[in-house]
Amino acid sequence: GQQLNQSPQSMFIQEGEDVSMNCTSSSIFNTWLWYKQDPGEGPVLLIALYKAGELTSNGRLTAQFGITRKDSFLNISASIPSDVGIYFCAGQLDRDDKIIFGKGTRLHILP
Amino acid sequence: EAQVTQNPRYLITVTGKKLTVTCSQNMNHEYMSWYRQDPGLGLRQIYYSMNVEVTDKGDVPEGYKVSRKEKRNFPLILESPSPNQTSLYFCASGGVGQYFGPGTRLTVL
Repeated sequence: GQQLNQSPQSMFIQEGEDVSMNCTSSSIFNTWLWYKQDPGEGPVLLIALYKAGELTSNGRLTAQFGITRKDSFLNISASIPSDVGIYFCAGQLDRDDKIIFGKGTRLHILP
Repeated sequence: EAQVTQNPRYLITVTGKKLTVTCSQNMNHEYMSWYRQDPGLGLRQIYYSMNVEVTDKGDVPEGYKVSRKEKRNFPLILESPSPNQTSLYFCASGGVGQYFGPGTRLTVL
């Protein structure tokens, strides 16, 4: 079945550093989504991308929908302690289609 | 307050004993879905529903059933649970901008 390859699996960074993570697929998606999950909680949508080449920001977060429609990246600038958590990418082909999630990138911030 | 509620939040059961996890949303969303989350495997979609009486298989539907008789409710049914269905389950509603419930941690002994 369809798979999303999300990398890196985990990251250890210093507070204040910028973060970059990405997601690739062997098949195209028409919607890319980025979620964050805090411990003990359900995922929360951060950014939704609907158009190839689209670059969208949400505060310190920026995500791009790759031109080939097979990849997306998420950047976090000037990381802060509350950025700790698991970040998931997800793709959907059409609005009435299933949603495929990557395996997540676990972000750790060193004191 | 917009929310997705799941019950129960925690459940320990035994192999073969039928169980239902309820999910309810108050946002009038058409799209609802169920996921399971396992270490190292991320979130995998079990079933989803585009509207009342319309359900479709996700990536891992085996061993599960769902129904969508009303727009707000989307229960997940395990007719004969097995230990490999021990997992953290999330219900979500809203299509692209999905709202996730708080999760149900299920242990099947």
